[in-house]
Amino acid sequence: QKEVEQDPGPLSVPEGAIVSLNCTYSNSAFQYFMWYRQYSRKGPELLMYTYSSGNKEDGRFTAQVDKSSKYISLFIRDSQPSDSATYLCAMSEGGSEKLVFGKGTKLTVNP
Amino acid sequence: KAGVTQTPRYLIKTRGQQVTLSCSPISGHRSVSWYQQTPGQGLQFLFEYFSETQRNKGNFPGRFSGRQFSNSRSEMNVSTLELGDSALYLCASSFTDDSPLHFGNGTRLTVT
Repeated sequence: QKEVEQDPGPLSVPEGAIVSLNCTYSNSAFQYFMWYRQYSRKGPELLMYTYSSGNKEDGRFTAQVDKSSKYISLFIRDSQPSDSATYLCAMSEGGSEKLVFGKGTKLTVNP
Repeated sequence: KAGVTQTPRYLIKTRGQQVTLSCSPISGHRSVSWYQQTPGQGLQFLFEYFSETQRNKGNFPGRFSGRQFSNSRSEMNVSTLELGDSALYLCASSFTDDSPLHFGNGTRLTVT
């Protein structure tokens, strides 16, 4: 079993839709959870950074962490064509140290 | 504030050669990490440096090495290149252990 599982998609939605992206993990020692967005030919860009369980909201983005289920989610409201990218979940036992990434979900938002 | 800068952006090398990649972290960031990204394996941790010391190392062969200088800039070196080393090599920096990693745009290495 891989440490972090993420559905690779691809996921295609109409503009304005609510998008739900998810990852599951097996290592109960993970304490820090991140979502990155990666455009083609670019490096990953940090979207959300959370510690332990709970919700965090930033504009159209909401991150949820459920440590009891070992499950994290990213919701994108009112999705835009500019949100079309690959979304990577990442997690670690200690902050910025040794992140373990999911394989990424490719999202396309159609105008 | 300038982001993480990686040079060169693209490299083409031949099997058996060696290569050095360079990374300048965000100003004030003292921790630098390197990751390899391939279509098959995704992003995998290579190593992490803090104050010129390697703190963590991933599961890569000894052909992969790195170092950090006193100004926090970092280099990674791959010796005796193999076809399977073709990948996007990403450098990332963070301010403290509890702060998130910020990535550069990577160096695309192609080994022929």
